[in-house]
Amino acid sequence: GESVGLHLPTLSVQEGDNSIINCAYSNSASDYFIWYKQESGKGPQFIIDIRSNMDKRQGQRVTVLLNKTVKHLSLQIAATQPGDSAVYFCADHTGGFKTIFGAGTRLFVKA
Amino acid sequence: NAGVMQNPRHLVRRRGQEARLRCSPMKGHSHVYWYRQLPEEGLKFMVYLQKENIIDESGMPKERFSAEFPKEGPSILRIQQVVRGDSAAYFCASLLNREDTGELFFGEGSRLTVL
Repeated sequence: GESVGLHLPTLSVQEGDNSIINCAYSNSASDYFIWYKQESGKGPQFIIDIRSNMDKRQGQRVTVLLNKTVKHLSLQIAATQPGDSAVYFCADHTGGFKTIFGAGTRLFVKA
Repeated sequence: NAGVMQNPRHLVRRRGQEARLRCSPMKGHSHVYWYRQLPEEGLKFMVYLQKENIIDESGMPKERFSAEFPKEGPSILRIQQVVRGDSAAYFCASLLNREDTGELFFGEGSRLTVL
């Protein structure tokens, strides 16, 4: 069945370093992905999205890379800050009906 | 412009009671999604509604759970005869236009505890 999964459940980085959060998906027809950030006790918030006609998309301090050949995407956060500590979800929004979320990666930023 | 509003934020129920969770989408949004989240887990899709219509309820248990999004008023997720396994955070999200960006705007969630 369709699934979106993450390679690592937790990631710990030093403040100022770059963070890379990975995500694998299984449906080769998936063509629209979104990264969300969820802080403790809050709802997820949109970070960045990417469609399958792109390999890379950049936002403010964040970059998403999509490799359709191996069905993998990643979220890169530059100069990670304490405020980046949260759980990050990749989500498959293909089809527009039900966005499928992965289990999430918890990012810890050490000062 | 208020975001997605959910209430109650916290709800405690005893086994066998009913839980009603409400969600008011962002102004102008006519698509509402409900997700369930267990601790340290991802969000599991439950149901997708438009005004007065259930579009996809494939993620919702067949028994005890129901959802509605009336023409007027908030969307309601109703859980009858709650059991301990229903304890979770329930998130509502709204979407402006499904054909446009897929960005879901989430509420802060309703945390249900079943004693």
